[in-house]
Amino acid sequence: DQQVKQNSPSLSVQEGRISILNCDYTNSMFDYFLWYKKYPAEGPTFLISISSIKDKNEDGRFTVFLNKSAKHLSLHIVPSQPGDSAVYFCAASGSGTYKYIFGTGTRLKVLA
Amino acid sequence: NAGVTQTPKFQVLKTGQSMTLQCAQDMNHNSMYWYRQDPGMGLRLIYYSASEGTTDKGEVPNGYNVSRLNKREFSLRLESAAPSQTSVYFCASSVPIGSIFGPGTRLLVL
Repeated sequence: DQQVKQNSPSLSVQEGRISILNCDYTNSMFDYFLWYKKYPAEGPTFLISISSIKDKNEDGRFTVFLNKSAKHLSLHIVPSQPGDSAVYFCAASGSGTYKYIFGTGTRLKVLA
Repeated sequence: NAGVTQTPKFQVLKTGQSMTLQCAQDMNHNSMYWYRQDPGMGLRLIYYSASEGTTDKGEVPNGYNVSRLNKREFSLRLESAAPSQTSVYFCASSVPIGSIFGPGTRLLVL
């Protein structure tokens, strides 16, 4: 049973436009969410996070939105750049635990 | 400051062979993790260690053992490798927010 789901395996966006990556979760005990970016042959790198007490967190071109009632979060990248082309993973953890459960990833391709 | 290092980078095993994947971090982090990445499956947690001396199972622990040798090192052992364990293995250690990942070990079991 997949507790964290990324239903879009891939996404293509024109350079300069907005990229929206989505993530759904089923476990209502999750209260901390993270996004990672992964280039081929490298480990994932942390991008941005959000706590369940917030509904939005922004860091430069990256904004994460959390809708707790829908158990849904999204990552917005504005404007998208070719260097953003990578696989993006969302991850979730529950309060007081150290376990992060990852989604299956979405491959973003930003077209120049 | 090397971050998280993993050895080896690549390994080929025959079914039934054993091996240990090594991981070390020099950031004085308490928590360390082992994940495997498979196509279409994302990153799945194998084992984690919240602090030195403690280890806990993750989502897919079967066929693996771990040792938190000290605060720096967290090793993953395959006692009898199976083709289903062909994967890319990532070690990570945690800061308060997010984890720092190593570069990965690509394992092929024939």
